[in-house]
Amino acid sequence: EPEVTQTPSHQVTQMGQEVILRCVPISNHLYFYWYRQILGQKVEFLVSFYNNEISEKSEIFDDQFSVERPDGSNFTLKIRSTKLEDSAMYFCASTPDRKGHGYTFGSGTRLTVV
Amino acid sequence: AQTVTQSQPEMSVQEAETVTLSCTYDTSESDYYLFWYKQPPSRQMILVIRQEAYKQQNATENRFSVNFQKAAKSFSLKISDSQLGDAAMYFCAYRRGGSQGNLIFGKGTKLSVKP
Repeated sequence: EPEVTQTPSHQVTQMGQEVILRCVPISNHLYFYWYRQILGQKVEFLVSFYNNEISEKSEIFDDQFSVERPDGSNFTLKIRSTKLEDSAMYFCASTPDRKGHGYTFGSGTRLTVV
Repeated sequence: AQTVTQSQPEMSVQEAETVTLSCTYDTSESDYYLFWYKQPPSRQMILVIRQEAYKQQNATENRFSVNFQKAAKSFSLKISDSQLGDAAMYFCAYRRGGSQGNLIFGKGTKLSVKP
């Protein structure tokens, strides 16, 4: 069964450093998403991406965040200057359409900012 | 704004028994989708079941079924013949139809299964 692949599975970074989280969505999917889950809390939407541009973003997705699809397969989330409160699980997801069919999550990247 | 409420932070069930997890939501939309996701200790998000609001028939996936009450804005998950592997966090989620499709999650219910 097709999967959404995320790397790395766990990343530790110093406060103030830049990190890039990587995702390979399912190949025929067109819509891509990043979500965040702080430990013990609910999953929160960050950003959606379609046709090589951001289509929607939440209040959490401020200027320190950016997304990119640099080639035909990868979808990245960059955090420019990490803060302690950015420590969380980051999930990538993709769907083939707007209807919620096949909304598939990756296994997540655990980001720890120290 | 749409909200999703899971009023049971924790639930427990005996192996082989049936358990129902509650979820209510608030929306003024008529076109939307509802989901239940399972999150085991590995923290991966696994889709359990999906319901389209325009469908009156309750979705079913093997031992998992939902009771979708559109007028009451209720979407409960029933797990039959509970197994030890069902122990996990369960999140209810809402997605507005015809949109870019971000999910709005509830706070989750932690399900324990007793042998």
